[in-house]
Amino acid sequence: GGIITQTPKFLIGQEGQKLTLKCQQNFNHDTMYWYRQDSGKGLRLIYYSITENDLQKGDLSEGYDASREKKSSFSLTVTSAQKNEMAVFLCASSPLTGGARAEQFFGPGTRLTVL
Amino acid sequence: GDKVKQSPSALSLQEGTNSALRCNFSIAATTVQWFLQNPRGSLINLFYLVPGTKENGRLKSTFNSKESYSTLHIRDAQLEDSGTYFCAAEGGNTGKLTFGDGTVLTVKP
Repeated sequence: GGIITQTPKFLIGQEGQKLTLKCQQNFNHDTMYWYRQDSGKGLRLIYYSITENDLQKGDLSEGYDASREKKSSFSLTVTSAQKNEMAVFLCASSPLTGGARAEQFFGPGTRLTVL
Repeated sequence: GDKVKQSPSALSLQEGTNSALRCNFSIAATTVQWFLQNPRGSLINLFYLVPGTKENGRLKSTFNSKESYSTLHIRDAQLEDSGTYFCAAEGGNTGKLTFGDGTVLTVKP
């Protein structure tokens, strides 16, 4: 078993601010992902990384940067927070990318509010 | 989203009854995952499917890749089954999941 931790749990920012969210996993998984969830909607992929120092864009990468500092950690930066933005950011990891070992497991999320 | 359509969008069940949730795909899905999002927002893994059927307790799920759909059957619904159920499809062994917009399930006593 393993666990994914996300920090912070709640993040309040100001319009235009640069904000960083962090994710750690101890599954020893190769691939990590960042998703955004808006209220009442499904998750949308922002960035993913198949190994340390790798970065791949998802469908929603504009306005975000990401960094895979080491195998166990993946951080996401909101480059310029948008006024009245509210969303939950979820981190996930999987053993591999694609194929029979690509089941994704999720962290508890970071709730972002921009004033 | 449009590429993965879930139905119904909301469902109310009496405790002890059965029901089925459905996902239709307009992408060529290779694997499917089903999740339950609890009121605290945590995503609980229910099933990870290649084409075929899996069963776990009162839950059973089928993924038919040729007809591009997946179903989740809930038998003998319990109060703790309440929450939002999401399906997500992976296309072409990319590892990228495309999510539906969820089915909000309420189980009533």
